[in-house]
Amino acid sequence: EDQVTQSPEALRLQEGESSSLNCSYTVSGLRGLFWYRQDPGKGPEFLFTLYSAGEEKEKERLKATLTKKESFLHITAPKPEDSATYLCAVQPSGDSGGGADGLTFGKGTHLIIQP
Amino acid sequence: KAGVTQTPRYLIKTRGQQVTLSCSPISGHRSVSWYQQTPGQGLQFLFEYFSETQRNKGNFPGRFSGRQFSNSRSEMNVSTLELGDSALYLCASSLTDYYTEAFFGQGTRLTVV
Repeated sequence: EDQVTQSPEALRLQEGESSSLNCSYTVSGLRGLFWYRQDPGKGPEFLFTLYSAGEEKEKERLKATLTKKESFLHITAPKPEDSATYLCAVQPSGDSGGGADGLTFGKGTHLIIQP
Repeated sequence: KAGVTQTPRYLIKTRGQQVTLSCSPISGHRSVSWYQQTPGQGLQFLFEYFSETQRNKGNFPGRFSGRQFSNSRSEMNVSTLELGDSALYLCASSLTDYYTEAFFGQGTRLTVV
């Protein structure tokens, strides 16, 4: 069974204090690993897709990396507007007979950036 | 470019009733997936449609069903509502069924009383 575990569950940082969020996964073949940001009462906002170990992607203050067992979302010099829940999800490359298997999500990391 | 549109945004239903939720994907996207989000279970995959065909289904009872129309718009239906069905229902739109990027709508908040 595919599993995604995110840590920590919650993280409080001061503005400008860099840190990393962890996403550990177990999947029978990885088609893609996704990072999303979700604000309260809203749908998840797509951030990154990573496909293979060693891949890295950046967007503003965010950088996502991928190994064979985990992914990290690095936040550099965060600002209060970066406060949100960050979700990690995996898509297996399983043999479903056609069509994309649904994403398996972690429970998320609730990030608070204090001014 | 318009995003994924879900209607209605909020619903209150009584236990035992049924409900239909609607999702209009991003223009040109042909795959629509549905997810249930609750505080305890997080985001869970319900089903995925491509070209009017259900391609995959998550581990949910048969009370949860859906369909997709020729214009890619999708609906999901929940029959015989239970209190535990209260959740945020999210629709995700992708270009194809072999998606690499799924874009979510704002969701429909369903409350069952």
